[in-house]
Amino acid sequence: DQQVKQNSPSLSVQEGRISILNCDYTNSMFDYFLWYKKYPAEGPTFLISISSIKDKNEDGRFTVFLNKSAKHLSLHIVPSQPGDSAVYFCAASGLGGGSEKLVFGKGTKLTVNP
Amino acid sequence: EADIYQTPRYLVIGTGKKITLECSQTMGHDKMYWYQQDPGMELHLIHYSYGVNSTEKGDLSSESTVSRIRTEHFPLTLESARPSHTSQYLCASSVAGPQYFGPGTRLTVL
Repeated sequence: DQQVKQNSPSLSVQEGRISILNCDYTNSMFDYFLWYKKYPAEGPTFLISISSIKDKNEDGRFTVFLNKSAKHLSLHIVPSQPGDSAVYFCAASGLGGGSEKLVFGKGTKLTVNP
Repeated sequence: EADIYQTPRYLVIGTGKKITLECSQTMGHDKMYWYQQDPGMELHLIHYSYGVNSTEKGDLSSESTVSRIRTEHFPLTLESARPSHTSQYLCASSVAGPQYFGPGTRLTVL
């Protein structure tokens, strides 16, 4: 049973608009959440993370929102750029600090059209 | 950010061969991990290590083995490769906070 779910396999947006990628989790023991970006034939690149004690974390064009009661998090990219086109993975950790085992979703393929 | 290296990047090999996938990091991170990913699927943890001489199996059962003799080096070995081992293998390291990944090895077993 998947503990981290990304229900949208793909998302297409226009350059300059907002991209919103969603992630749901089922395990209430998760307390640290991360987003990674992955290009084909490369390893995932860390984008942004959030601890369960916060509900928002921002880094440049990337903002992650966490709704613990709904067990839902989202990644907002504003403004979207063609170089953002990649697969985005949501990941969660249950032991704090992010250095423990990560559980990944299946990813959402984002396409940003010029 | 960690500098983490994996070799080879691509490997095509016949059934029954022994292979070792190399992973090295230069940041002195204590924790290292191996993940396996099939196309369109999530990454699955197959091995991890919290330091020298420490290795544990991950959530996904794997026929591979690992060793951690030096902090910077975490190789993965398959004694007898089979077509079912065809996948992408990703190595990561961390000290605290996020894990940082290498570029991966795409393994194809014929």
